[in-house]
Amino acid sequence: AQSVTQPDIHITVSEGASLELRCNYSYGATPYLFWYVQSPGQGLQLLLKYFSGDTLVQGIKGFEAEFKRSQSSFNLRKPSVHWSDAAEYFCAVGARNNDMRFGAGTRLTVKP
Amino acid sequence: GAVVSQHPSRVICKSGTSVKIECRSLDFQATTMFWYRQFPKQSLMLMATSNEGSKATYEQGVEKDKFLINHASLTLSTLTVTSAHPEDSSFYICSAPPGLADNEQFFGPGTRLTVL
Repeated sequence: AQSVTQPDIHITVSEGASLELRCNYSYGATPYLFWYVQSPGQGLQLLLKYFSGDTLVQGIKGFEAEFKRSQSSFNLRKPSVHWSDAAEYFCAVGARNNDMRFGAGTRLTVKP
Repeated sequence: GAVVSQHPSRVICKSGTSVKIECRSLDFQATTMFWYRQFPKQSLMLMATSNEGSKATYEQGVEKDKFLINHASLTLSTLTVTSAHPEDSSFYICSAPPGLADNEQFFGPGTRLTVL
């Protein structure tokens, strides 16, 4: 069965600094990988997804992620964080039958 | 883009009552919808897969008699929490795949259930 690990529960970065959120997955075949963002009390917003092809994917709000099969990773990056990026970030892996498994989430705090 | 709605967005009920949550795909048909549960400061956990015209598939440990799922049409799935208790208080989120090849799902905004 597929699973997702987000090793960092909470990360604090200064506004304008770069960001990398880690995600490792376990899946027997080529995974469908996703990053979602959730603001407090809100639903999920898709940042980006990897299905196949180019392993560096661009998303919304200036985010990007790189799929590394050898490391079973799909880390999320942003070169310059904005205060509005403070939220909870979830990495997820999908299966052929479309259900998704989520990581535990990483809470991002942005310092002024 | 595809939109999924949920109703109500927030509900407070007394212990022992039943609560129905609706999930609708607004501009696409969904033969399958998914129900997730999220406890405060935790991740989303898949509860069940709702299948149009057939029985739902529940994840291990989820009581199917407690969480009744009905997928009566291609745009509507309902989750009924029966005889709700305070430990059922949670954030319930549904999702639906619009049938794209890349397995993307669209999520509803969630329903906050508080059982007193």
